[in-house]
Amino acid sequence: DVKVTQSSRYLVKRTGEKVFLECVQDMDHENMFWYRQDPGLGLRLIYFSYDVKMKEKGDIPEGYSVSREKKERFSLILESASTNQTSMYLCASSLPERSQETQYFGPGTRLLVL
Amino acid sequence: GNSVTQMEGPVTLSEEAFLTINCTYTATGYPSLFWYVQYPGEGLQLLLKATKADDKGSNKGFEATYRKETTSFHLEKGSVQVSDSAVYFCALSRNTGGFKTIFGAGTRLFVKA
Repeated sequence: DVKVTQSSRYLVKRTGEKVFLECVQDMDHENMFWYRQDPGLGLRLIYFSYDVKMKEKGDIPEGYSVSREKKERFSLILESASTNQTSMYLCASSLPERSQETQYFGPGTRLLVL
Repeated sequence: GNSVTQMEGPVTLSEEAFLTINCTYTATGYPSLFWYVQYPGEGLQLLLKATKADDKGSNKGFEATYRKETTSFHLEKGSVQVSDSAVYFCALSRNTGGFKTIFGAGTRLFVKA
């Protein structure tokens, strides 16, 4: 079974702090994704990566950056956390099966920015 | 652009009732269509998928048929259980120079005993 793990289930940070969210997958997947999930808005793509050291902006990249130094690990960075970044953050990975890809999700990190 | 619209929730049903959650999509070409489910406190997991028109995806008693003529992929189950209480997301995926998946807003289902 594919396993995607996220470093924390719950985080509380203060405005202006730098925040790191870590995601690790154990199935050698090329593709990795970061989403945020908000009520009524579903999942919105922040950033994704097709390979090591490669990254692409998603639909809402502002205020975020990412790092992929190793194939199994994809980090989301909030350079200066703000209250409007309070949300559930979901990491996912997939094989590049073109349009048939299935994404495998981690359990999520619920971030509260005070 | 590509988009997914699904019925707003919450949907509340009694155990053994019939379930339909509507999903329609907008996309050029031939996307793959998915239903993901999110149980309380967990991430999303794939429930079923269909990759071409008239395909039927099925899993755990749930079914959905890819209808290109109506651009729909409605989720159905004949008899729901309390354990089906979750949030259901309809999604589409296309290879358009990137393997992005577009998710609907999600529909929360409550099943009462």
